[in-house]
This record gives sequence, C-alpha cells and structure tokens, in this order.
Amino acid sequence: KQEVTQIPAALSVPEGENLVLNCSFTDSAIYNLQWFRQDPGKGLTSLLLIQSSQREQTSGRLNASLDKSSGRSTLYIAASQPGDSATYLCAVRGQAGTALIFGKGTTLSVSS
Amino acid sequence: DADVTQTPRNRITKTGKRIMLECSQTKGHDRMYWYRQDPGLGLRLIYYSFDVKDINKGEISDGYSVSRQAQAKFSLSLESAIPNQTALYFCATSDLSSSYNEQFFGPGTRLTVL
Repeated sequence: KQEVTQIPAALSVPEGENLVLNCSFTDSAIYNLQWFRQDPGKGLTSLLLIQSSQREQTSGRLNASLDKSSGRSTLYIAASQPGDSATYLCAVRGQAGTALIFGKGTTLSVSS
Repeated sequence: DADVTQTPRNRITKTGKRIMLECSQTKGHDRMYWYRQDPGLGLRLIYYSFDVKDINKGEISDGYSVSRQAQAKFSLSLESAIPNQTALYFCATSDLSSSYNEQFFGPGTRLTVL
C-alpha cells in the first residue's frame, strides 16, 4: 500500500529565506506527483505536477524535483514571502486516472 | 466561474440526518472523486467514478454512498450522519485523455455533525 510522508510537519522561516519541503513515498511505481497549496479552511491549488519520466518542474519561485527510484520529491521555494504561508501537500498517483494518495502536509509560516 | 463547484459550502446537521453534498464541473472531465480531510490526517479517498456507469469505493467508503447523475455531476450522501463524519469534503476531477492527468479540486464543503 502506497504511503506518502511529508517532513517537516511545520516550518517557520523569516522572509527572504530559501527553503525545501520534503516528500517521500514507499512505492516507486508512480504515474505522477502533484504538489498543492492549501490556505486555512480553503480548497487545494495545484502548484506543480511532475510526470514519472521527469526529474523536475519549475513555476516562478517554485521548483519541484522527483527521484522516483529513491521515492523522494522536494519542493524548493526561493526568496520566501509572507504570502507563501500555507499548508503544502504532496500527492502521488499510481496509475493514470486513479486517485491521489496524499501526505499530511507541511504547514509553512513566513514572517516579515 | 469556477470549473469545479460544490454545494453547500458549509452545513451543520444533527446525528442521524441524511445529507447530500453535490459537485458539478464544467471541465468536461470523465473522472470524478470525493475526498475528506481531517486535521492531522490529510486527504483520504471516499469514492471515485470513471464515468457515469462506473462507481468505485475508496479507502473510507463506509457510511457514504454516491451517485453519478451525469458526466458533470457527482453527489455524495451520508445516509445517517454521525459526529465522526465532521470534516472538510472535497470533490475533484481529472481527464484520462490528458497526458498529465492532473486533478482539479473544488473549494470544499465544511460539514459539522452535532
């Protein structure tokens, strides 16, 4: 059974710092991996999607990497801002069209 | 207008009541999903549907039922609500024909069972 773990569960950093969020999964046979952002009490916003054949994806200040063989993904946030404060969720899909398996998230707080 | 909508957005009900949560999408996707989110537990899959005639149980389907009335509509029912079904419920869609097969989520329904 696929399990997804996110470390740390919470992270506090000062504005301007670069940071890395970690995601690990137990079964390397994934179709793709998605990173989401969730603001308190709100829905999920998709940030980046990495196909199993890809090594990384970039969007603005965000960069996500994937090492399928070791079962790891990282989300790198450059020059963090208070507006980046949210919970970041990692999710993997085993096959095309199947449901996502989620980690429990990392709650990020960026102070000004 | 939002591509994936959920109604109601908030609902407070009493133990034993029947509740229906509705999800509609304008994305034309074939696949729809229902998840629940509990503090500290992440999102867990309740049911999913690959098309109107295909309904599948997820990880935590007990106490729930679903109906796929049309390609664009997927409803979740709690036949007899209980307090531990208090949670944030999300509907999601995806398109198998898309190479990325990305999932798109609705804004969520906050359900409280007293």
